[in-house]
Amino acid sequence: NAGVTQTPKFQVLKTGQSMTLQCAQDMNHNSMYWYRQDPGMGLRLIYYSASEGTTDKGEVPNGYNVSRLNKREFSLRLESAAPSQTSVYFCASTTGTERRNYGYTFGSGTRLTVV
Amino acid sequence: AQSVTQPDIHITVSEGASLELRCNYSYGATPYLFWYVQSPGQGLQLLLKYFSGDTLVQGIKGFEAEFKRSQSSFNLRKPSVHWSDAAEYFCAFRSQGNLIFGKGTKLSVKP
Repeated sequence: NAGVTQTPKFQVLKTGQSMTLQCAQDMNHNSMYWYRQDPGMGLRLIYYSASEGTTDKGEVPNGYNVSRLNKREFSLRLESAAPSQTSVYFCASTTGTERRNYGYTFGSGTRLTVV
Repeated sequence: AQSVTQPDIHITVSEGASLELRCNYSYGATPYLFWYVQSPGQGLQLLLKYFSGDTLVQGIKGFEAEFKRSQSSFNLRKPSVHWSDAAEYFCAFRSQGNLIFGKGTKLSVKP
């Protein structure tokens, strides 16, 4: 099925470990996003990529890096995980063209626990 | 500052009762507005959107929302709630290409 695919779905890390969250979309969307969701906080934007070859910081970028590998893939890396990064991470994509934007398509999330 | 406010953290309604979830936004122009629903353990699904034109918009699953510029509001409504509507609902608007979300309203449905 067409959509946004995130891997892994669950992950437990020890403090200081690194890992990369993968995201891929097959809808030919230009823009891709990484959000984190914490209880009572809604979704907060970590990084985004408006188009292939560009990335920009969102509201909460500290402790994260991203790579827009190609038009389909946008990865999120935690270089040295901290307990404060325990969260559910969502990847999303959109066409990026305002008048044709029918909202974002979200992946099903990665639940990350840092102990 | 640009923001979305959902004043109700948690709402409980009886099955078959009507529902209204409140959303207010702070933005310098008319925004593109969205409502998303998130079932437990799932991602977010788009319910409906407003870009321009008719201020009453229809969405999936029998939901509708009304844009009121004078009140900076975009409230979500449903005339008769079903048990399967129990979920968390997020209002959002698009600013400079990015979606800004409210903190969500959790809906519980009583039998």
